[in-house]
Amino acid sequence: AQSVTQLGSHVSVSEGALVLLRCNYSSSVPPYLFWYVQYPNQGLQLLLKYTSAATLVKGINGFEAEFKKSETSFHLTKPSAHMSDAAEYFCAVSLTGNQFYFGTGTSLTVIP
Amino acid sequence: EAGVTQFPSHSVIEKGQTVTLRCDPISGHDNLYWYRRVMGKEIKFLLHFVKESKQDESGMPNNRFLAERTGGTYSTLKVQPAELEDSGVYFCASSQRSVAGGGTDTQYFGPGTRLTVL
Repeated sequence: AQSVTQLGSHVSVSEGALVLLRCNYSSSVPPYLFWYVQYPNQGLQLLLKYTSAATLVKGINGFEAEFKKSETSFHLTKPSAHMSDAAEYFCAVSLTGNQFYFGTGTSLTVIP
Repeated sequence: EAGVTQFPSHSVIEKGQTVTLRCDPISGHDNLYWYRRVMGKEIKFLLHFVKESKQDESGMPNNRFLAERTGGTYSTLKVQPAELEDSGVYFCASSQRSVAGGGTDTQYFGPGTRLTVL
C-alpha cells in the first residue's frame, strides 16, 4: 500500500529565506509523485510531478523537488520565499496514475 | 478554458438530512475523481469515473454515499442520510486521458465543497 508522510503541519519562514517542505513516501514499487498547492478559497494546483524521468523536477513559481529513492523522499524546495507562497502544500503518491494518496498537508507562513 | 467547478461551495445540514454535491469537470476530460478531506487529516480518494462508468469506488465510506455521472459529463455525490462524521471538504478532480496502460496524467482539482453536518 502507498502512503505519504509530510513532516511538519505548519512551517514558517522569513521572506527571502529557503523553503523546505518534507515529504516521505511508502511504496512497493517506484511511484509517481506530486506536489500540489492550495491557496485560500481555491482548488489544488499542481506545482510539479515526478514520473520516473529526471530525479530533479522543476515546477512552477520557482519550486523544485528531488526524488531520492534511497531515502524514499520527495522534498519540495524554493531558494527564496515570497509572501505569495503562503498556502497549504500537499504531497501525493500514485502507482496507477489514477488513485492518489495524499499527505496531511503543510501550511506555509511567510513572515515579512 | 474553464477549470473544474463544484457546487455548492459550502453546505450546512443537520444530521439525517440529504445533500447532493455537484462537480463539472473540464470539458473533454473522461476521468473524474472524488476526494474528501476531513479536518486536519489527509485528502482521501473516494472514487474514479471513466466517462459514465465507475472504474474504482474502493474509497467510498459506506452505502450512504452515492455517486453518479450520467452521460459522462458532470457528476453528483449524494449523502443520504448525512452523519456528523461526513463533515469535511469534498474535492472533485478531472484528467484527460486514461492511464490504464501506465503513465500518469495531471489531475485538475476544483475548489471543493465544504460540508458541515450538525
